[in-house]
Amino acid sequence: DGGITQSPKYLFRKEGQNVTLSCEQNLNHDAMYWYRQDPGQGLRLIYYSQIVNDFQKGDIAEGYSVSREKKESFPLTVTSAQKNPTAFYLCASSPPQGYEQYFGPGTRLTVT
Amino acid sequence: EDKVVQSPLSLVVHEGDTVTLNCSYEVTNFRSLLWYKQEKKAPTFLFMLTSSGIEKKSGRLSSILDKKELFSILNITATQTGDSAVYLCAVVRLKETSGSRLTFGEGTQLTVNP
Repeated sequence: DGGITQSPKYLFRKEGQNVTLSCEQNLNHDAMYWYRQDPGQGLRLIYYSQIVNDFQKGDIAEGYSVSREKKESFPLTVTSAQKNPTAFYLCASSPPQGYEQYFGPGTRLTVT
Repeated sequence: EDKVVQSPLSLVVHEGDTVTLNCSYEVTNFRSLLWYKQEKKAPTFLFMLTSSGIEKKSGRLSSILDKKELFSILNITATQTGDSAVYLCAVVRLKETSGSRLTFGEGTQLTVNP
């Protein structure tokens, strides 16, 4: 059945290492988004992509990179340049002509 | 800078109570306002409001938008313990060159005690 999957659910990394978070959707949605959520806070937009091979920075893009080579996939790389990478990362997608976004289950990243 | 403010930030009630959650916004190129429910992990979509004064309803939940005063409320009647969650408000604005994007509020943590 259709949906958005993120993997892994939990991820542990040492400081200084890059890490890539996976996001896949089979909803045939054009637009995909990456958010970060810190405890007690709302979601902040990292990057988004309206179409394959194109993406834009959100409000907190520094220290992150993305690619959009396929419609179904929008992986996020958390680089060593990201000062406080420990957070809950959520991927979302939205349908053509629609504004509502549908979220994956999230990846909790812990960097020590 | 776009701003979405939710209040209260947290709320504790007893089962059966009615609650009202508030969301005010200051956003350029406003298009719509969305409500989400988040229980531990992924937010789930509740409502999208685009027109002023038209109530959206789903079971015990309802929501309305006031575009003149720039706010929305989410009402939950006869609350149940399963309503315990963080309720997120988000506003859609249209960017001229690159589609729509959401700006989220901090959320209201609702706890319903038996």
